[in-house]
Amino acid sequence: QVYLVESGGGVVQPGRSLRLACAASGFTFSSYGMHWVRQAPGKGLEWVGVIWYDGSNKYYGDAVKGRFTISRDNSKNTLHLQMNSLRVEDTAVYYCARGFCDSINCHNLLDQWGQGTLVTVSS
Amino acid sequence: DIVMTQSPDSLAVSLGERATINCKSSQNILYSSINKNYIAWYQQKPGQSPKLLIYWASTRESGVPDRFSGSGSGTDFTLTISSLQAADVAVYYCQQYYSSPYTFGQGTKLEIK
Repeated sequence: QVYLVESGGGVVQPGRSLRLACAASGFTFSSYGMHWVRQAPGKGLEWVGVIWYDGSNKYYGDAVKGRFTISRDNSKNTLHLQMNSLRVEDTAVYYCARGFCDSINCHNLLDQWGQGTLVTVSS
Repeated sequence: DIVMTQSPDSLAVSLGERATINCKSSQNILYSSINKNYIAWYQQKPGQSPKLLIYWASTRESGVPDRFSGSGSGTDFTLTISSLQAADVAVYYCQQYYSSPYTFGQGTKLEIK
C-alpha cells in the first residue's frame, strides 16, 4: 500500500518562508518522479512542480518559479517543498503526488496522492 | 504553456443516464511516434484527494469501473460515464502531461439531477 503523508502546513505571514515535507512509504521512492500540486480554497488543481527520481531535474509552474524549490532525500524517502517570499495567493492545500511509471518508462501523470496540508498566507 | 479548457463547468445528470465531460488542449498533445495522447482524467470527491481515473486518453486505471471511459485525440478529449451512479458525484479534471508545466483543466462539477 502506497502512503504519502504531507506535513509542515500552517499560517504564515506574507513574505515569509515555509517548508513542507512529504513522507513516502509502500513503494521504491527512489524510482519515481514526485510532484507537488496545490488547490486554493474552493478552486481547482494547480500543478506546482516536479523533481525527477534522482533529483537531477526539476520543473516548476509559472506562478512559483523562482520562489519555490523542490528537493528530495531518497535515503529518507522524503520529498520537500521550500516556499519563499510567500504571497496571499499561495494559500492552498498542498498535495504531494507520485509520478506514474509503467514497465517501460515514467510519465508526469499522478497515480498516488497524499491527503494534503493546508498553507495559509495571511497577515 | 498548454492551456486545458473543460466544458461544461458544471453538469447535472439523472441517475443511470450518461454524463459527458469535454477537455480541449491549446495545442496537440498526441505524441505521434508512439501514437499516444498525453492526457489523464482525475476524480475528486468532496473532502478527498484527487484520484487517477484514466490515462493515455483512454486507459482505465486499475480498479476504475468500466462505466468510465475516455476518448479523443490531438486536442479534443472526452470523459464519459455511461450510467451515472450516486458515487460519481465529484469534480473531474483533465491534465496534460505532454510538456511542462503539466497543466490541469479548471474542473467540471458533476451533480445528480
